[in-house]
Amino acid sequence: SQQGEEDPQALSIQEGENATMNCSYKTSINNLQWYRQNSGRGLVHLILIRSNEREKHSGRLRVTLDTSKKSSSLLITASRAADTASYFCATAPETSGSRLTFGEGTQLTVNP
Amino acid sequence: DTGVSQNPRHKITKRGQNVTFRCDPISEHNRLYWYRQTLGQGPEFLTYFQNEAQLEKSRLLSDRFSAERPKGSFSTLEIQRTEQGDSAMYLCASSRFRLDFTGELFFGEGSRLTVL
Repeated sequence: SQQGEEDPQALSIQEGENATMNCSYKTSINNLQWYRQNSGRGLVHLILIRSNEREKHSGRLRVTLDTSKKSSSLLITASRAADTASYFCATAPETSGSRLTFGEGTQLTVNP
Repeated sequence: DTGVSQNPRHKITKRGQNVTFRCDPISEHNRLYWYRQTLGQGPEFLTYFQNEAQLEKSRLLSDRFSAERPKGSFSTLEIQRTEQGDSAMYLCASSRFRLDFTGELFFGEGSRLTVL
């Protein structure tokens, strides 16, 4: 079963606007990762945030993590048409270091 | 770094036939994962290896599914007696195991299976 649930399922914005996607999860985690997937392609790692971190930045990406609420958000600033893709959060278990569990994803469409 | 390679990229088969997918991971990566993804959904974990040892197998993986990673290099995923419900994208990923569990996954482009 999927651990993460992304919200919204789909998001459509204009180029230049910011896009925010949310992820909720159920169990204790070691870290949370965000991945991007272009249609019909494999997933690409974007950013990782550890359970003891609250915020992390990478270029136009900002990720927050609230372990008390078991939730994370991904903010993409100044979006571009090339950001159009599906975005998935994935959680790593707290202690076992085993596989990542992915959420259902948010489909982001950035209109030029 | 040639990335993770998967073959074939597309496979169309008739119900009841066997199919095999191959994954060549990034050479220095000791972990290899198989996921399945259906349209509009996130990847679902199937199994993973550390070197040649299969460490975990999802309950989703019926007896018709088997995966191997001989010599800890490439891996194969075989589906026997395929069913229409097996139609999906099969994704392979590799990573370098880290003691702090922060290894990121590097995915291949996937093998799309269509069962008629």
